[in-house]
Amino acid sequence: AQSVAQPEDQVNVAEGNPLTVKCTYSVSGNPYLFWYVQYPNRGLQFLLKYITGDNLVKGSYGFEAEFNKSQTSFHLKKPSALVSDSALYFCAVRDTGVGTPLVFGKGTRLSVIA
Amino acid sequence: EAQVTQNPRYLITVTGKKLTVTCSQNMNHEYMSWYRQDPGLGLRQIYYSMNVEVTDKGDVPEGYKVSRKEKRNFPLILESPSPNQTSLYFCASSLGSTSGLTDTQYFGPGTRLTVL
Repeated sequence: AQSVAQPEDQVNVAEGNPLTVKCTYSVSGNPYLFWYVQYPNRGLQFLLKYITGDNLVKGSYGFEAEFNKSQTSFHLKKPSALVSDSALYFCAVRDTGVGTPLVFGKGTRLSVIA
Repeated sequence: EAQVTQNPRYLITVTGKKLTVTCSQNMNHEYMSWYRQDPGLGLRQIYYSMNVEVTDKGDVPEGYKVSRKEKRNFPLILESPSPNQTSLYFCASSLGSTSGLTDTQYFGPGTRLTVL
């Protein structure tokens, strides 16, 4: 069964600095990887996904993520953090196979400090 | 506007009193799903539906029921709620899971349920 780990419960970064939110995964086949963001009192919003092709995926709001197959990682990055990026971030993975669920990590809370 | 709606947004109830949380999407999506979100546990899938009249259990189905009589609606039913079902619930939909493993899921705003 597939699984995903977000090793940090909380990440703090100063505004204007680069940010990284870590994600590692485990699947039996090829992974389909997603990042979602949850702002306070809101549902989850899609940021980006990796399906195949270029290992560097660009998404919404200036975020990008790098797929690393050898390290089974899919870290979320942004070159310059904004205070408005403060939110809860979820990594999710889906294994190949019809009906396989989308499995979410426990979430990482990002705080960007002005 | 393309969206997933849930009602109610907030609900406080008592143990054993049956309740239904509605979910509706206007995107003609085939796949719909219910999740619960608990601190430190992330999102866990309760039930999902790949099309009308097709539903299946997710990771934590105990104590819940669902139905999919129409494509747009996917209600979550708690026949006899218990305090351990106090949680934040999200409905989600995507285009189609049979050929859409890569589909993006669209989430509703959430329903915060408290069972006393």
